[in-house]
Amino acid sequence: AQSVSQHNHHVILSEAASLELGCNYSYGGTVNLFWYVQYPGQHLQLLLKYFSGDPLVKGIKGFEAEFIKSKFSFNLRKPSVQWSDTAEYFCAVSIISNFGNEKLTFGTGTRLTIIP
Amino acid sequence: KAGVTQTPRYLIKTRGQQVTLSCSPISGHRSVSWYQQTPGQGLQFLFEYFSETQRNKGNFPGRFSGRQFSNSRSEMNVSTLELGDSALYLCASSPWTSDQNIQYFGAGTRLSVL
Repeated sequence: AQSVSQHNHHVILSEAASLELGCNYSYGGTVNLFWYVQYPGQHLQLLLKYFSGDPLVKGIKGFEAEFIKSKFSFNLRKPSVQWSDTAEYFCAVSIISNFGNEKLTFGTGTRLTIIP
Repeated sequence: KAGVTQTPRYLIKTRGQQVTLSCSPISGHRSVSWYQQTPGQGLQFLFEYFSETQRNKGNFPGRFSGRQFSNSRSEMNVSTLELGDSALYLCASSPWTSDQNIQYFGAGTRLSVL
């Protein structure tokens, strides 16, 4: 079974600092990769996704992520964070089985706190 | 398009009772998945329904069940509630038109078991 690891449980940064959140997964086959964000009191929203092609993907609000297949990683980055980026960030992986169904396997999440 | 709608938003139940949660997917979406979110375990997959059939199931006891109706709306039922069932239950829908599939989440139902 696939698993997802997010090594940073809580990250605290000052505004304008650069951000990198780590995500590693364990699965030898083809995967779809996602980052979701959960702002305080709001529902999970898709930040960005990787299906195939260019391993550097750009998402909303200036976020990007790089898929490195050899490292089984999909790290999230942002060059300059804002106070409004305070939220919980979840990395997720999905695989397609022989029957075409899928499920999302989530990491445990990283709580990001931005200090003004 | 309206998003994924979950009702009710909040529920308080006591141990031993049962509960039914409802999810209306985005119009046109045929796949509905359910997840349990807790501070200790994070987001865990419960099950997925497509065209009224359960296609995938997570590692939860049989007390957790679900169904999907012909209009793609889904319900999740938990019987004989335990304190540990207190969680945010999230529903996600997806169009399932290709392998490049995105799940869209509702706001969740927060269940408290006393």
